[in-house]
Amino acid sequence: GQQLNQSPQSMFIQEGEDVSMNCTSSSIFNTWLWYKQDPGEGPVLLIALYKAGELTSNGRLTAQFGITRKDSFLNISASIPSDVGIYFCAGLTGTASKLTFGTGTRLQVTL
Amino acid sequence: DADVTQTPRNRITKTGKRIMLECSQTKGHDRMYWYRQDPGLGLRLIYYSFDVKDINKGEISDGYSVSRQAQAKFSLSLESAIPNQTALYFCATSEGRVGYNEKLFFGSGTQLSVL
Repeated sequence: GQQLNQSPQSMFIQEGEDVSMNCTSSSIFNTWLWYKQDPGEGPVLLIALYKAGELTSNGRLTAQFGITRKDSFLNISASIPSDVGIYFCAGLTGTASKLTFGTGTRLQVTL
Repeated sequence: DADVTQTPRNRITKTGKRIMLECSQTKGHDRMYWYRQDPGLGLRLIYYSFDVKDINKGEISDGYSVSRQAQAKFSLSLESAIPNQTALYFCATSEGRVGYNEKLFFGSGTQLSVL
Protein backbone atom coordinates (compact mmCIF):
# COMPACT_ATOMS: atom_id res chain seq x y z
CA GLY A 1 0.00 0.00 0.00
CA GLN A 2 0.90 3.67 -0.08
CA GLN A 3 3.36 4.93 2.49
CA LEU A 4 3.74 8.35 3.99
CA ASN A 5 7.02 9.22 5.61
CA GLN A 6 7.00 11.94 8.24
CA SER A 7 10.06 13.71 9.53
CA PRO A 8 11.34 14.25 12.02
CA GLN A 9 10.01 11.38 14.11
CA SER A 10 10.34 13.49 17.25
CA MET A 11 11.34 16.99 18.22
CA PHE A 12 12.33 18.64 21.47
CA ILE A 13 12.08 22.42 21.30
CA GLN A 14 11.94 25.35 23.64
CA GLU A 15 8.85 27.44 24.14
CA GLY A 16 8.78 30.29 21.65
CA GLU A 17 10.66 28.45 18.91
CA ASP A 18 9.24 27.81 15.45
CA VAL A 19 8.67 24.22 14.31
CA SER A 20 8.75 22.64 10.86
CA MET A 21 7.78 19.12 9.91
CA ASN A 22 7.05 17.44 6.61
CA CYS A 23 5.43 14.47 5.01
CA THR A 24 6.54 12.81 1.78
CA SER A 25 5.06 10.11 -0.39
CA SER A 26 6.02 8.02 -3.39
CA SER A 27 2.49 8.55 -4.72
CA ILE A 28 0.43 11.58 -5.69
CA PHE A 29 -2.37 12.73 -3.40
CA ASN A 30 -5.35 14.97 -4.17
CA THR A 31 -5.88 16.05 -0.59
CA TRP A 32 -3.55 16.50 2.34
CA LEU A 33 -4.65 16.82 5.95
CA TRP A 34 -2.85 17.48 9.20
CA TYR A 35 -4.09 16.11 12.53
CA LYS A 36 -2.89 16.60 16.09
CA GLN A 37 -3.21 14.00 18.83
CA ASP A 38 -3.08 15.24 22.40
CA PRO A 39 -1.91 12.76 25.03
CA GLY A 40 -4.75 10.36 25.89
CA GLU A 41 -7.03 11.63 23.14
CA GLY A 42 -7.89 10.92 19.53
CA PRO A 43 -6.50 12.96 16.62
CA VAL A 44 -8.16 16.27 15.81
CA LEU A 45 -8.12 17.86 12.35
CA LEU A 46 -5.97 20.99 12.14
CA ILE A 47 -5.78 21.88 8.45
CA ALA A 48 -7.06 20.48 5.15
CA LEU A 49 -5.39 21.22 1.78
CA TYR A 50 -7.06 20.56 -1.56
CA LYS A 51 -4.89 22.14 -4.27
CA ALA A 52 -1.23 21.80 -5.25
CA GLY A 53 0.68 24.84 -4.00
CA GLU A 54 -2.05 25.79 -1.54
CA LEU A 55 -0.90 27.51 1.63
CA THR A 56 -3.39 27.54 4.52
CA SER A 57 -3.14 28.93 8.03
CA ASN A 58 -4.95 28.14 11.26
CA GLY A 59 -3.75 30.50 13.96
CA ARG A 60 -0.04 29.84 14.52
CA LEU A 61 -0.14 26.84 12.21
CA THR A 62 0.58 27.03 8.49
CA ALA A 63 0.48 24.09 6.10
CA GLN A 64 1.36 23.77 2.44
CA PHE A 65 0.37 21.31 -0.28
CA GLY A 66 3.53 20.58 -2.24
CA ILE A 67 3.70 21.43 -5.95
CA THR A 68 4.61 17.84 -6.85
CA ARG A 69 1.49 16.62 -4.94
CA LYS A 70 3.78 14.15 -3.19
CA ASP A 71 4.55 16.16 -0.09
CA SER A 72 3.16 18.54 2.49
CA PHE A 73 4.63 20.74 5.20
CA LEU A 74 3.41 22.00 8.56
CA ASN A 75 4.91 24.94 10.41
CA ILE A 76 4.11 26.06 13.94
CA SER A 77 5.24 29.52 14.96
CA ALA A 78 6.12 30.62 18.48
CA SER A 79 5.46 27.25 20.09
CA ILE A 80 3.70 27.01 23.46
CA PRO A 81 3.41 24.12 25.93
CA SER A 82 -0.04 23.07 24.66
CA ASP A 83 1.49 22.33 21.24
CA VAL A 84 2.82 19.10 22.77
CA GLY A 85 1.45 16.02 21.05
CA ILE A 86 1.78 13.85 17.97
CA TYR A 87 1.19 15.45 14.58
CA PHE A 88 -0.02 13.22 11.76
CA CYS A 89 -0.22 13.97 8.08
CA ALA A 90 -2.77 12.11 5.99
CA GLY A 91 -3.22 11.86 2.24
CA LEU A 92 -6.21 11.04 0.11
CA THR A 93 -6.20 10.04 -3.54
CA GLY A 94 -9.00 9.58 -6.04
CA THR A 95 -12.52 9.30 -4.73
CA ALA A 96 -11.77 6.83 -1.97
CA SER A 97 -12.69 7.88 1.52
CA LYS A 98 -9.77 6.02 2.99
CA LEU A 99 -6.95 8.15 4.23
CA THR A 100 -3.34 7.06 4.35
CA PHE A 101 -1.77 8.31 7.56
CA GLY A 102 1.85 9.18 8.15
CA THR A 103 3.87 7.71 10.99
CA GLY A 104 3.61 10.86 13.11
CA THR A 105 5.94 13.52 14.54
CA ARG A 106 6.06 13.68 18.32
CA LEU A 107 6.57 17.23 19.58
CA GLN A 108 7.83 18.06 23.05
CA VAL A 109 8.01 21.68 24.24
CA THR A 110 10.22 22.66 27.15
CA LEU A 111 9.82 25.84 29.14
CA ASP B 1 -20.63 14.99 26.06
CA ALA B 2 -18.24 13.59 23.46
CA ASP B 3 -19.55 13.32 19.90
CA VAL B 4 -17.76 10.00 19.33
CA THR B 5 -17.70 7.73 22.38
CA GLN B 6 -15.64 4.59 22.71
CA THR B 7 -16.06 1.96 25.41
CA PRO B 8 -14.17 0.69 27.25
CA ARG B 9 -11.26 3.17 27.50
CA ASN B 10 -8.91 0.44 28.68
CA ARG B 11 -9.09 -3.35 28.52
CA ILE B 12 -6.72 -6.11 29.52
CA THR B 13 -7.52 -9.58 28.29
CA LYS B 14 -5.91 -12.96 27.76
CA THR B 15 -4.90 -14.71 24.57
CA GLY B 16 -7.82 -16.54 22.97
CA LYS B 17 -10.57 -14.46 24.54
CA ARG B 18 -13.28 -12.77 22.49
CA ILE B 19 -13.34 -9.02 22.86
CA MET B 20 -15.77 -6.38 21.63
CA LEU B 21 -15.02 -2.68 21.43
CA GLU B 22 -17.98 -0.34 21.12
CA CYS B 23 -18.31 2.99 19.35
CA SER B 24 -21.30 5.31 19.32
CA GLN B 25 -21.69 8.75 17.76
CA THR B 26 -24.10 11.65 18.05
CA LYS B 27 -22.82 13.52 15.00
CA GLY B 28 -25.34 11.97 12.62
CA HIS B 29 -22.56 10.90 10.24
CA ASP B 30 -23.08 8.05 7.79
CA ARG B 31 -19.49 6.90 7.65
CA MET B 32 -17.68 5.15 10.49
CA TYR B 33 -14.19 3.70 10.73
CA TRP B 34 -12.00 1.61 13.02
CA TYR B 35 -8.28 2.37 13.14
CA ARG B 36 -5.42 0.85 15.03
CA GLN B 37 -2.44 2.88 16.30
CA ASP B 38 0.93 1.33 17.03
CA PRO B 39 4.03 3.30 18.06
CA GLY B 40 6.00 4.35 14.98
CA LEU B 41 3.38 3.02 12.56
CA GLY B 42 0.76 5.74 12.63
CA LEU B 43 -2.90 4.90 12.13
CA ARG B 44 -3.95 1.91 10.04
CA LEU B 45 -7.49 1.25 8.86
CA ILE B 46 -9.10 -2.00 10.01
CA TYR B 47 -12.69 -1.73 8.72
CA TYR B 48 -15.04 0.97 7.55
CA SER B 49 -18.76 1.38 6.91
CA PHE B 50 -20.60 3.90 4.74
CA ASP B 51 -24.08 3.01 5.97
CA VAL B 52 -26.02 0.60 8.16
CA LYS B 53 -25.04 -2.99 7.36
CA ASP B 54 -22.40 -1.81 4.87
CA ILE B 55 -19.02 -3.35 5.79
CA ASN B 56 -15.68 -2.89 4.01
CA LYS B 57 -12.26 -4.27 4.80
CA GLY B 58 -9.41 -1.92 5.42
CA GLU B 59 -5.67 -2.39 5.30
CA ILE B 60 -5.41 -4.81 8.26
CA SER B 61 -8.74 -6.60 8.69
CA ASP B 62 -7.43 -10.12 9.43
CA GLY B 63 -8.35 -11.25 12.94
CA TYR B 64 -11.08 -8.61 13.31
CA SER B 65 -14.77 -8.33 12.51
CA VAL B 66 -17.25 -5.46 12.75
CA SER B 67 -20.97 -4.86 13.00
CA ARG B 68 -23.01 -1.82 11.93
CA GLN B 69 -26.61 -2.44 13.01
CA ALA B 70 -27.51 1.21 13.50
CA GLN B 71 -26.26 4.49 12.06
CA ALA B 72 -24.89 5.62 15.40
CA LYS B 73 -23.09 2.42 16.40
CA PHE B 74 -20.10 0.53 14.99
CA SER B 75 -18.56 -2.28 17.01
CA LEU B 76 -15.22 -4.02 16.53
CA SER B 77 -14.68 -7.63 17.62
CA LEU B 78 -11.58 -9.70 18.11
CA GLU B 79 -12.82 -13.28 17.91
CA SER B 80 -9.72 -14.79 19.48
CA ALA B 81 -7.35 -12.14 20.76
CA ILE B 82 -3.59 -12.54 20.31
CA PRO B 83 -0.74 -10.52 21.85
CA ASN B 84 0.14 -8.66 18.62
CA GLN B 85 -3.33 -7.14 18.70
CA THR B 86 -2.20 -5.09 21.70
CA ALA B 87 -2.64 -1.52 20.49
CA LEU B 88 -4.60 1.70 20.79
CA TYR B 89 -7.85 1.48 18.83
CA PHE B 90 -9.73 4.47 17.48
CA CYS B 91 -13.21 4.82 16.10
CA ALA B 92 -13.86 7.72 13.72
CA THR B 93 -16.77 9.19 11.78
CA SER B 94 -17.18 11.43 8.75
CA GLU B 95 -19.90 12.91 6.61
CA GLY B 96 -20.61 11.36 3.22
CA ARG B 97 -20.57 14.63 1.31
CA VAL B 98 -17.76 15.40 -1.14
CA GLY B 99 -15.34 17.77 0.51
CA TYR B 100 -16.32 16.55 3.96
CA ASN B 101 -15.90 12.79 3.89
CA GLU B 102 -12.15 12.98 4.44
CA LYS B 103 -12.54 15.04 7.62
CA LEU B 104 -12.53 12.42 10.34
CA PHE B 105 -13.77 12.92 13.89
CA PHE B 106 -12.10 10.53 16.31
CA GLY B 107 -13.11 9.06 19.63
CA SER B 108 -10.72 9.11 22.59
CA GLY B 109 -9.46 5.61 21.93
CA THR B 110 -9.47 2.20 23.60
CA GLN B 111 -6.15 0.86 24.88
CA LEU B 112 -6.25 -2.91 24.51
CA SER B 113 -3.65 -5.19 26.04
CA VAL B 114 -3.62 -8.90 25.20
CA LEU B 115 -1.54 -11.00 27.58
